[in-house]
Amino acid sequence: KNQVEQSPQSLIILEGKNCTLQCNYTVSPFSNLRWYKQDTGRGPVSLTIMTFSENTKSNGRYTATLDADTKQSSLHITASQLSDSASYICVVSAEYGNKLVFGAGTILRVKS
Amino acid sequence: DTGVSQDPRHKITKRGQNVTFRCDPISEHNRLYWYRQTLGQGPEFLTYFQNEAQLEKSRLLSDRFSAERPKGSFSTLEIQRTEQGDSAMYLCASSVASGQETQYFGPGTRLLVL
Repeated sequence: KNQVEQSPQSLIILEGKNCTLQCNYTVSPFSNLRWYKQDTGRGPVSLTIMTFSENTKSNGRYTATLDADTKQSSLHITASQLSDSASYICVVSAEYGNKLVFGAGTILRVKS
Repeated sequence: DTGVSQDPRHKITKRGQNVTFRCDPISEHNRLYWYRQTLGQGPEFLTYFQNEAQLEKSRLLSDRFSAERPKGSFSTLEIQRTEQGDSAMYLCASSVASGQETQYFGPGTRLLVL
């Protein structure tokens, strides 16, 4: 069964600190992996996308890594800001790229 | 604003009533998706259209649910005889069909069935 598991479920950090979110997946055939940011009461917004051959992708203070051998990905957030408080969802595309398998998300809260 | 829009943003209804949600995709996006998201979970796929054709429906989409995209532009999702278990956020996304397509999500419609 195609599954995406994320850890931790939730995380609280102080403003300015770094954090890393984890994603493990069992999705086949793999097409790509994305990290989405979802603010409370809003739809998810894509942060990064990585295909099988890519190991890392950055988008500002967000850096995603992908290990296709171990089927693991991480999202590293540098110098966190209050506006980073949101749910971060790992999404893996199966087959031809339009079948998305969503993780449950990691809820990040950045405190001042 | 040229993003995906959904209407209404919030809906409260009594059990047994019918509800209909609308999604307006980004113009020229030929694919449109419906998802359901419950609290603390990621979105779950319900159905998707390519132009006006409904190409796939999830087993989550019981016979009380119906979706249409009559002219290949906006779409509606109707839930008949709502149940309390239907309470969720209903998300719409649109994309251009491609090998590594990006789905752009709308703000969602939050449904509460009393």
